[in-house]
Amino acid sequence: AQSVSQHNHHVILSEAASLELGCNYSYGGTVNLFWYVQYPGQHLQLLLKYFSGDPLVKGIKGFEAEFIKSKFSFNLRKPSVQWSDTAEYFCAVTRGSSNTGKLIFGQGTTLQVKP
Amino acid sequence: DAGVIQSPRHEVTEMGQEVTLRCKPISGHNSLFWYRQTMMRGLELLIYFNNNVPIDDSGMPEDRFSAKMPNASFSTLKIQPSEPRDSAVYFCASSFGGSDGYTFGSGTRLTVV
Repeated sequence: AQSVSQHNHHVILSEAASLELGCNYSYGGTVNLFWYVQYPGQHLQLLLKYFSGDPLVKGIKGFEAEFIKSKFSFNLRKPSVQWSDTAEYFCAVTRGSSNTGKLIFGQGTTLQVKP
Repeated sequence: DAGVIQSPRHEVTEMGQEVTLRCKPISGHNSLFWYRQTMMRGLELLIYFNNNVPIDDSGMPEDRFSAKMPNASFSTLKIQPSEPRDSAVYFCASSFGGSDGYTFGSGTRLTVV
């Protein structure tokens, strides 16, 4: 079945620690990849996206992600997390070259940053 | 731009009652999506529309759920009759073909008692 998998369900880090959240997808062909963040009690906000070109994508708030086609992965990274990064993070995928297809989400990873 | 606007923000209703959730997409966006978020099942795509036409409703849980998009600026998700297991946060999102991504509304938190 087509799916998006996030390896870590709950991550706890101290401030200034480095972050890497895993994301793998099981679709073949062209994919568009996204990371969204959901702060407590709020809606989803787009962190970054990959459609084509440079596989290393930089997003807002110091986040970046690398698309590795051979590994079907799109891991999210941040060199130094802050307490304000405490949130839930979702990887998502659409198929094909259009941005109007189904956006399928992973299960989400809850990040807790300790001050 | 005011973003994707959903109403109401919170809804508490009794089992068996009809519930209607509303969404106004971003002007110019031609695709609209309804998602449901629960602790157990995460984010589930219920249905999506392109140019006001339902494209895929395979995620709609059962016949009690229905969605409409009568025009490019308005969509509704209706649950009739509602059940406690429908309690969740329902998000609407819109997009325009291209590289802008999907913009989500603030969600409607539905509680069915």
